[in-house]
Amino acid sequence: DSGVTQTPKHLITATGQRVTLRCSPRSGDLSVYWYQQSLDQGLQFLIQYYNGEERAKGNILERFSAQQFPDLHSELNLSSLELGDSALYFCASSPDPGLAGGPGNEQFFGPGTRLTVL
Amino acid sequence: AQTVTQSQPEMSVQEAETVTLSCTYDTSENNYYLFWYKQPPSRQMILVIRQEAYKQQNATENRFSVNFQKAAKSFSLKISDSQLGDTAMYFCAFTAGGGADGLTFGKGTHLIIQP
Repeated sequence: DSGVTQTPKHLITATGQRVTLRCSPRSGDLSVYWYQQSLDQGLQFLIQYYNGEERAKGNILERFSAQQFPDLHSELNLSSLELGDSALYFCASSPDPGLAGGPGNEQFFGPGTRLTVL
Repeated sequence: AQTVTQSQPEMSVQEAETVTLSCTYDTSENNYYLFWYKQPPSRQMILVIRQEAYKQQNATENRFSVNFQKAAKSFSLKISDSQLGDTAMYFCAFTAGGGADGLTFGKGTHLIIQP
């Protein structure tokens, strides 16, 4: 158990709909990352938040957005869903890489949310 | 932009054998980190081993060790005394230093340990 929690575990919805995925990082971790794993695209970095602020952007579509709340949990919002958005969505967290003696960029992954768009 | 290449889509070895998974990467960064993650059938992503680019010594974690060749941009994973529980997808991953970047993953190697 990595200490990162994600809900829900599974989500089935229809094209055109909007869903929200939730992630709670490990206690004390300030950074949250979102990844998408699909058969054709592999594992792709979507976006990173650090202590409530967006810090890095990857291959995130404009239909997708995320935020990190004051209690450090994060939500990934996916809208106007298409069949191709069906994937496993991972959240990961990491401690402050600036901490002396810290693990340095090590990311701990949650169990993922399996999204199926029908 | 950095890229990570894993050239072996699938490998199969007998239990107790030693196996080496290959990974090459391309980057213009000088400060970066490399990782191997394991994804068993449960789909959980599990960190196996990490390597800081500024460290010349190769990282080891029990039966897992890496061969880090910075000049060649190569980062292979060696699994000694392989066990049935090592059966999984293995992903090589890269991130730049500084903590403001996600992981760039290779396409993975499906490792099968035969009894």
